[in-house]
Amino acid sequence: QKEVEQNSGPLSVPEGAIASLNCTYSDRGSQSFFWYRQYSGKSPELIMFIYSNGDKEDGRFTAQLNKASQYVSLLIRDSQPSDSATYLCAVRRGSSASKIIFGSGTRLSIRP
Amino acid sequence: DVKVTQSSRYLVKRTGEKVFLECVQDMDHENMFWYRQDPGLGLRLIYFSYDVKMKEKGDIPEGYSVSREKKERFSLILESASTNQTSMYLCASSPPWGRGMSSPLHFGNGTRLTVT
Repeated sequence: QKEVEQNSGPLSVPEGAIASLNCTYSDRGSQSFFWYRQYSGKSPELIMFIYSNGDKEDGRFTAQLNKASQYVSLLIRDSQPSDSATYLCAVRRGSSASKIIFGSGTRLSIRP
Repeated sequence: DVKVTQSSRYLVKRTGEKVFLECVQDMDHENMFWYRQDPGLGLRLIYFSYDVKMKEKGDIPEGYSVSREKKERFSLILESASTNQTSMYLCASSPPWGRGMSSPLHFGNGTRLTVT
């Protein structure tokens, strides 16, 4: 079992709809959770991070964390063609000098 | 703005060569990381460092070593390059974990290494 699992996609969503991206992790000691966006040929860039159970909203993006279910998700409202990218879920374990482990990413395509 | 600079964007090396990938960050970050990214496998952690001269193995350290003699510079070394080390290599830095729970990674532009 991979430590961080994501559906590879591609996930196709019509423009203006809500895109829902999911991620599960295996280590209950995980503390911080990140969503990165990566455009083709570019480096990952941070979209959001979350470390408390519940929802965290930033503009069109909402991160949701459920530690009991070991599940983190990213919702993108009012999806735009510019949101088409690969979304990487990342997990940080421990409280110091610890690893950040990435999932393999979900490819999202927003169709006009 | 954080800047993480990788010395080469593209690199072609021969099997058996010793290869050095260099990474420099300008934000005085304590933590630095080397990942490789392959299609379908995502980013896999090779090594990371949380202080000068300190290093820890990631998930796939075999065939690699690292050097961190100065805080701003973190080098990845392929002791004897092999074709299965052909990949995109990404360097990243972050503040120490104590400064809030986020401490996100800031990535360089990547080095695409081809070993022939």
